[in-house]
Amino acid sequence: QQQVKQSPQSLIVQKGGISIINCAYENTAFDYFPWYQQFPGKGPALLIAIRPDVSEKKEGRFTISFNKSAKQFSLHIMDSQPGDSATYFCAASIGTSGSRLTFGEGTQLTVNP
Amino acid sequence: DAGVTQSPTHLIKTRGQQVTLRCSPISGHKSVSWYQQVLGQGPQFIFQYYEKEERGRGNFPDRFSARQFPNYSSELNVNALLLGDSALYLCASSLAPRGSEKLFFGSGTQLSVL
Repeated sequence: QQQVKQSPQSLIVQKGGISIINCAYENTAFDYFPWYQQFPGKGPALLIAIRPDVSEKKEGRFTISFNKSAKQFSLHIMDSQPGDSATYFCAASIGTSGSRLTFGEGTQLTVNP
Repeated sequence: DAGVTQSPTHLIKTRGQQVTLRCSPISGHKSVSWYQQVLGQGPQFIFQYYEKEERGRGNFPDRFSARQFPNYSSELNVNALLLGDSALYLCASSLAPRGSEKLFFGSGTQLSVL
């Protein structure tokens, strides 16, 4: 069962542009929402995470926006750079329970120079 | 500091065979989780171990098993391999077995079943 739906599947952005990736979840028990970045041949690496008690979290060029009522959250990458070209996964978990992450299907981001 | 290390990096097996994948967590991390990542999809949770005890199991058949050793390293075993078991198997470690803990992933073992 797909509990976290991610879109788009792929995204092409010009250098300096804004990349936006969206996710929607079904399980209202989820209370921890991380984004992971994965480069070819590597495992995923945590980028930024948010809890539902805030609507936005920013770390450098990366921002998570969270809409609890709509059960949606998104990743915004400002001033996108070619080095940001990677696959991005949203995920969700129940923070107080075991570290079982439910991942979205991923978005392959390409930033053209 | 060494990150999460997995071995082997690549493995080719035939249907029906058995495979053992190994993982060494970051020093000080007592929780190890295993994920399966099929090409073009997000990782799927298989197991979590903490202090040598199974703390969670995903929706995988009994052909999949795992264990954690006193030094917190872990092995994932898959019996009676099927073509559909071909995937990247990721190990992740964390300080504690909480859902909000930062997971550190290894680079994975690429398993091909022919």
